[in-house]
Amino acid sequence: NAGVTQTPKFQVLKTGQSMTLQCAQDMNHEYMSWYRQDPGMGLRLIHYSVGAGITDQGEVPNGYNVSRSTTEDFPLRLLSAAPSQTSVYFCASNPGQGAKTQYFGPGTRLLVL
Amino acid sequence: AQKITQTQPGMFVQEKEAVTLDCTYDTSDPSYGLFWYKQPSSGEMIFLIYQGSYDQQNATEGRYSLNFQKARKSANLVISASQLGDSAMYFCAMREAYLSGGYNKLIFGAGTRLAVHP
Repeated sequence: NAGVTQTPKFQVLKTGQSMTLQCAQDMNHEYMSWYRQDPGMGLRLIHYSVGAGITDQGEVPNGYNVSRSTTEDFPLRLLSAAPSQTSVYFCASNPGQGAKTQYFGPGTRLLVL
Repeated sequence: AQKITQTQPGMFVQEKEAVTLDCTYDTSDPSYGLFWYKQPSSGEMIFLIYQGSYDQQNATEGRYSLNFQKARKSANLVISASQLGDSAMYFCAMREAYLSGGYNKLIFGAGTRLAVHP
């Protein structure tokens, strides 16, 4: 199993550009989510999904869109990048309600100029 | 509101010694879970240990143990016999009550940076 994979590992954008961060998992997990990590802080939830076709907002959703067309994939779209979105982005998955662990991808480091 | 507090921004420990990383939490939900993650300089988040609020015994995983004191709302991570490879950022996290659709989000503390000296 590859676990949770993310691409790209690193990206530089100019203000106003859009892009999609890719996330995939091969563990057949129902629950997937996106977090961002800013310097000196823990992770904060952006969006999450409890199954294909079902998504909802987390703590810091503004400026991001998600979709979940398959169980495996959960892409995160930045609509119009802003310097405040410079961060490290983690995708995560877990088997479902009450899971005793959350599997994280390796992260995508995003710099918005 | 649920909250996680890690009061130690940085900690030093000598190789082969034990170290305790502090974590306190605040929740009114009787059912919750507590996690510890390690983040080395390479950036990935590595799951270490889990403690459920109804678990009677403290969780242990190899050299990691969780000192769970429910009445004090603390969930300290104890690393025994520290190794140079333990140098990393450590995050305490709590599984919050259910959001829409049954999803449990994790709330993270700010982290503690551990340095292991030879």
